[in-house]
Amino acid sequence: AQKVTQAQTEISVVEKEDVTLDCVYETRDTTYYLFWYKQPPSGELVFLIRRNSFDEQNEISGRYSWNFQKSTSSFNFTITASQVVDSAVYFCALSEVAAGNKLTFGGGTRVLVKP
Amino acid sequence: DAGITQSPRHKVTETGTPVTLRCHQTENHRYMYWYRQDPGHGLRLIHYSYGVKDTDKGEVSDGYSVSRSKTEDFLLTLESATSSQTSVYFCAISESSGRQWEQFFGPGTRLTVL
Repeated sequence: AQKVTQAQTEISVVEKEDVTLDCVYETRDTTYYLFWYKQPPSGELVFLIRRNSFDEQNEISGRYSWNFQKSTSSFNFTITASQVVDSAVYFCALSEVAAGNKLTFGGGTRVLVKP
Repeated sequence: DAGITQSPRHKVTETGTPVTLRCHQTENHRYMYWYRQDPGHGLRLIHYSYGVKDTDKGEVSDGYSVSRSKTEDFLLTLESATSSQTSVYFCAISESSGRQWEQFFGPGTRLTVL
């Protein structure tokens, strides 16, 4: 069975601090995708990034960066110079490509950025 | 934005009544999913569909049934609602493009069972 663990339930920072969200996953599949979603207070789920299991290249997109390491089964997410608008719940998810791309979600990490 | 709508967006009902939630897509994606979101659990898969009339159970399927008679519509039915089914329900759609998978979520339906 697949499993995604987000050990941090809540992180509180002051604006402009960096925030790193941890995500550890378990799967027996050799082909899979990892996702990060953001859920702001308004409730919708916003897609942030997708990574496939063949691509360990890390990525930076604006203030967001991702660190994918297959050796430790981790897919961590960093927000640089946080802003109040980054306050949200962030979900890490793992897909079963061989089973219709069903997603297994972590429990989420609530990020609170204080001015 | 992906064309996914859910109806109703909010519903309050009483224990024992049947409830049907609708998910409608305009993207012609093959795969559709129903998830529920509860505090501390993230989102959990209820049922999913891999084509018209092709459905399968997810992690938390007890008490729920689904139907998909058209590509664009995926219905979730609670035959006899219970208070434990109070939750936020998200529909999602997915399609592959070569080796890439996309999965997009609808706006959610907040269901309260009294």
